[in-house]
Amino acid sequence: KQEVTQIPAALSVPEGENLVLNCSFTDSAIYNLQWFRQDPGKGLTSLLLIQSSQREQTSGRLNASLDKSSGRSTLYIAASQPGDSATYLCAVRGDNYGQNFVFGPGTRLSVLP
Amino acid sequence: DTEVTQTPKHLVMGMTNKKSLKCEQHMGHRAMYWYKQKAKKPPELMFVYSYEKLSINESVPSRFSPECPNSSLLNLHLHALQPEDSALYLCASSQDILRDRENEQFFGPGTRLTVL
Repeated sequence: KQEVTQIPAALSVPEGENLVLNCSFTDSAIYNLQWFRQDPGKGLTSLLLIQSSQREQTSGRLNASLDKSSGRSTLYIAASQPGDSATYLCAVRGDNYGQNFVFGPGTRLSVLP
Repeated sequence: DTEVTQTPKHLVMGMTNKKSLKCEQHMGHRAMYWYKQKAKKPPELMFVYSYEKLSINESVPSRFSPECPNSSLLNLHLHALQPEDSALYLCASSQDILRDRENEQFFGPGTRLTVL
């Protein structure tokens, strides 16, 4: 059974810092991995989707990498802003038909002005 | 348009009530999902519909009854719920669930359900 973990559980940084969020998964037979952000009490906003054949994806200040063989993904946020404060979740889709997303517990990020 | 809408935003119901949650998307997606999210926890998959047919039921109690009347709509019918069912219920959609699709999931804002 796929298990997804995220480190750290919470992170507080001053505005302007670059930071890295980590996601690990136990079963490397994945189809893709998706990063989301969630503001308190709100739905999830898709940030980046990485297919299993890809090594990284970039969108603006965000860069996500995937090392499938080691079961790891990282989300790099450049020049952090207070508006980046949210919970960041990674979700892994298994490589078998019908395997759907298993979410990590999330990293709660606070960017201080 | 990458929007998934959900109604109502908030719902308070008693344990004997019957209510329904609604979800709608107009992206032409053929896979739709229901998730349950408790406070400070990640979403947990409940149901998946693919081409209007129930594809996955993650051992959800029968007091939750999903329905997919057409490719754009997804309902979750609620009956005889328990206080522990109080949570944020999230709907999502993706292009497909087959391997040759990207399967990026798009989420709605959720319905905050409180069972008294």
